[in-house]
Amino acid sequence: GQNIDQPTEMTATEGAIVQINCTYQTSGFNGLFWYQQHAGEAPTFLSYNVLDGLEEKGRFSSFLSRSKGYSYLLLKELQMKDSASYLCAVRDLLTGGGNKLTFGTGTQLKVEL
Amino acid sequence: KAGVTQTPRYLIKTRGQQVTLSCSPISGHRSVSWYQQTPGQGLQFLFEYFSETQRNKGNFPGRFSGRQFSNSRSEMNVSTLELGDSALYLCASSLEPAGAGELFFGEGSRLTVL
Repeated sequence: GQNIDQPTEMTATEGAIVQINCTYQTSGFNGLFWYQQHAGEAPTFLSYNVLDGLEEKGRFSSFLSRSKGYSYLLLKELQMKDSASYLCAVRDLLTGGGNKLTFGTGTQLKVEL
Repeated sequence: KAGVTQTPRYLIKTRGQQVTLSCSPISGHRSVSWYQQTPGQGLQFLFEYFSETQRNKGNFPGRFSGRQFSNSRSEMNVSTLELGDSALYLCASSLEPAGAGELFFGEGSRLTVL
């Protein structure tokens, strides 16, 4: 089966940088996704990594190391609106692939003044 | 361009009843997936439909079922409701299954079972 671990909560200061880690165990890895979910709202897509390395998109970057089963989401120049839950999700071809993603339980990020 | 629409947004049922939830994907999207979200378990995959065929199924009991229509709209049904079925049910759509395409989530149907 799959196991996805990410910290439950993190707190950071406005304007700072925060790194949210995600580790996973999967047999048929075929992509890792990061989603943002504000309280009471739908998850929204942030990034997708399938090859090793860093993907940068504005203030957000995501890194993947397939050999280590490890990813992180880097948020720069934090803003109050970045306070949300950040969800790491993995697609595994051996358990179905497609849009069958296995999600971590999410990291609740709180941005303070 | 309208997003993913789910109805109803909120509903309350009692144990033993059954419920049907509806999802209209983004226009042009043919893949629809359903997830259950609870505070303790996070998002858990229920099923995925593409071109009216179930492509994937999660580890939920047979009380959970779904279908997709020719216009890509999808419904899911839960029979013989249990207290533990109380959750936010999220529908997500994409152009095709898999790939780097993002899943677009609806705002969900929040089910409370009393």
